[in-house]
Amino acid sequence: DAKTTQPTSMDCAEGRAANLPCNHSTISGNEYVYWYRQIHSQGPQYIIHGLKNNETNEMASLIITEDRKSSTLILPHATLRDTAVYYCIVRVAIRSEKLTFGTGTRLTIIP
Amino acid sequence: GAVVSQHPSRVICKSGTSVKIECRSLDFQATTMFWYRQFPKQSLMLMATSNEGSKATYEQGVEKDKFLINHASLTLSTLTVTSAHPEDSSFYICSAQSNFQPQHFGDGTRLSIL
Repeated sequence: DAKTTQPTSMDCAEGRAANLPCNHSTISGNEYVYWYRQIHSQGPQYIIHGLKNNETNEMASLIITEDRKSSTLILPHATLRDTAVYYCIVRVAIRSEKLTFGTGTRLTIIP
Repeated sequence: GAVVSQHPSRVICKSGTSVKIECRSLDFQATTMFWYRQFPKQSLMLMATSNEGSKATYEQGVEKDKFLINHASLTLSTLTVTSAHPEDSSFYICSAQSNFQPQHFGDGTRLSIL
């Protein structure tokens, strides 16, 4: 699986959009970009994934650059409950493919 | 949808005992389940991958005789930590996946061995 690079930590004011970047310059053509988050003492929560088109769901938006070497997860209106470690992971989408977790970005939402 | 239930959420037991952790996919059939371990202030590390009806595939450095995995059905996988010792104390997390869908995780089991 391609490696990803994320900032170690970020702060965001409550109510503002939180933009979390991820670099994955060695991504292969058949690898998807997945985002998960882990709130303290809980299991990771799936957020969103995409291949090359931008994606949006009820939780977030995923913007993938045209060359697919980087992406940004956008939480449109951050709340205190969005404080968590966010993981960007690239992998092929077949069922037996494991997720390799890096260190992620620790996002703190400030009141 | 895509709910994964893990039980128990916390267990404390004496050194030398065996502990069983259950992972269930409640609203979908999981053809593949994964078991992860997370030590304090560290990221998740995959321990093993299991497909229903076949033997689990363990990651390098994970003792298969110590961490027994059974994936008996499409909705249930169990991890048994045999003869647990204090160094096995950790946060154990399972995930489940059906074909081409994202992995969904349980809420984890915090294991403390005294």
